[in-house]
Amino acid sequence: DGGITQSPKYLFRKEGQNVTLSCEQNLNHDAMYWYRQDPGQGLRLIYYSQIVNDFQKGDIAEGYSVSREKKESFPLTVTSAQKNPTAFYLCASSSTGINTEAFFGQGTRLTVV
Amino acid sequence: AQKVTQAQTEISVVEKEDVTLDCVYETRDTTYYLFWYKQPPSGELVFLIRRNSFDEQNEISGRYSWNFQKSTSSFNFTITASQVVDSAVYFCALKTVNYGGSQGNLIFGKGTKLSVKP
Repeated sequence: DGGITQSPKYLFRKEGQNVTLSCEQNLNHDAMYWYRQDPGQGLRLIYYSQIVNDFQKGDIAEGYSVSREKKESFPLTVTSAQKNPTAFYLCASSSTGINTEAFFGQGTRLTVV
Repeated sequence: AQKVTQAQTEISVVEKEDVTLDCVYETRDTTYYLFWYKQPPSGELVFLIRRNSFDEQNEISGRYSWNFQKSTSSFNFTITASQVVDSAVYFCALKTVNYGGSQGNLIFGKGTKLSVKP
C-alpha cells in the first residue's frame, strides 16, 4: 500500500543528544514536509523540500536539520540546540502544486528525559 | 499575512447532534486553497476536503458539509447527526503562493477538538 511511514513511533532523548526521526514515502511525491505539533498550537512547519537535494526552512527551523538525498526519504534531526524538543512530529508529502493535499504519516512522539 | 483562526478550542456534543466547526482565514492572495483535516487519536492527519478560492459552491459528502463564504473569509464544516467515531481534532488549513513559493505550503489553524458522547 502507498503511504508515509514514520519511525519510531515513540522516541526518548537525553538532554544534549541529537536524535534522527525517519520519514519514508512511496507515493512518488516530490514535496515533503516536517511539522511540529504542541498541545493547543496546531501544526507548525519546521522544514520542507520540494525536490531532491533541496530544502527550505519553515517557521521554526532553529535546532533542527534535514537532508533530502533520495526522493523517498526526508529524515529530521533534532539537535541539542533545540531547547524544547518534546513534541509530536509529523511528516507529510504531496505532489507539487498549490492545489494538492498533503498526506501525513502517523507521527513520532519525542520526549526528553 | 496568511493566517487561519479556529476560535473553538473544544466542542462537546451528544451523539446525533449537529455540530459546526468554524474556520476564518486571512490572505491577500486572490488564488488560494482551503483544506480540512481530521486527526483521530492515532495521530495521523486525514484529508477531508479541498476548496479553491474561485469555487464558492457548498459541498456535501454524506454527513459532512462545508460552507465557503469569501465575503466573510470563512470555510465552516458541519457534521450532521454526529457519531462517537467523529471524535477527533479537526484542522482547517490554507495554501497560497505567498507562503512556500509557487507550490505553496499549508498554514494550519490551531484545531478544534470535538468530543461526541454516546
